[in-house]
Amino acid sequence: EVQLVESGGGLVKPGGSLRLSCAASGFTFSSYSMNWVRQAPGKGLEWVSSISSSSSYIYYADSVKGRFTISRDNAKNSLYLQMNSLRAEDTAVYYCARAPPLHDIDYWGQGTLVTVSS
Amino acid sequence: QPVLTQSSSASASLGSSVKLTCTLSSGHSSYIIAWHQQQPGKAPRYLMKLEGSGSYNKGSGVPDRFSGSSSGADRYLTISNLQSEDEADYYCETWDSNTRVFGGGTKLTVL
Repeated sequence: EVQLVESGGGLVKPGGSLRLSCAASGFTFSSYSMNWVRQAPGKGLEWVSSISSSSSYIYYADSVKGRFTISRDNAKNSLYLQMNSLRAEDTAVYYCARAPPLHDIDYWGQGTLVTVSS
Repeated sequence: QPVLTQSSSASASLGSSVKLTCTLSSGHSSYIIAWHQQQPGKAPRYLMKLEGSGSYNKGSGVPDRFSGSSSGADRYLTISNLQSEDEADYYCETWDSNTRVFGGGTKLTVL
């Protein structure tokens, strides 16, 4: 069974940093692209970042470019999102999501809440 | 990059059918999309991948009541024999080489 389990969310002040993790199991992690998708309270889904299976290709939404860094450790079956210079508008539930290369997202984690507030 | 447009809300009666629409922007009418369901308070769940031809492939465990179809730039999700648990937000998704895009979502109310 495919499982994606996010952790690392919490309350952080504007300008602060946070590192999210996603532990993957039930599939060959190193064969899949991975994504972070967020959802602000009461709002829709917003793609944040993608990383290819070997980390060769990395992409970001314009809203987080230069502040967020996606990475992965295939030996640990883990995906990460380093978030710096956080803003109030980054407040959201952050989901880890699996996607075969150049395919749709086919599995989602349960999400972790990030709240940016003073 | 592509843009996906969805109606903000839809409603239908218990046991009836409903057809939700996702429209691709000009120049992107051939794109493949996916449909995702998000029940209240839960994470999204993958429903299916839907091609411009109307061919679709559903995710594991998705009931037969869910089906997809296409016409031009429009991609449809049809839910038959509506159940109370189908009340949810439905999002379409598409992608290209360096980005993913979601529609704004349709909130489905089962009356």
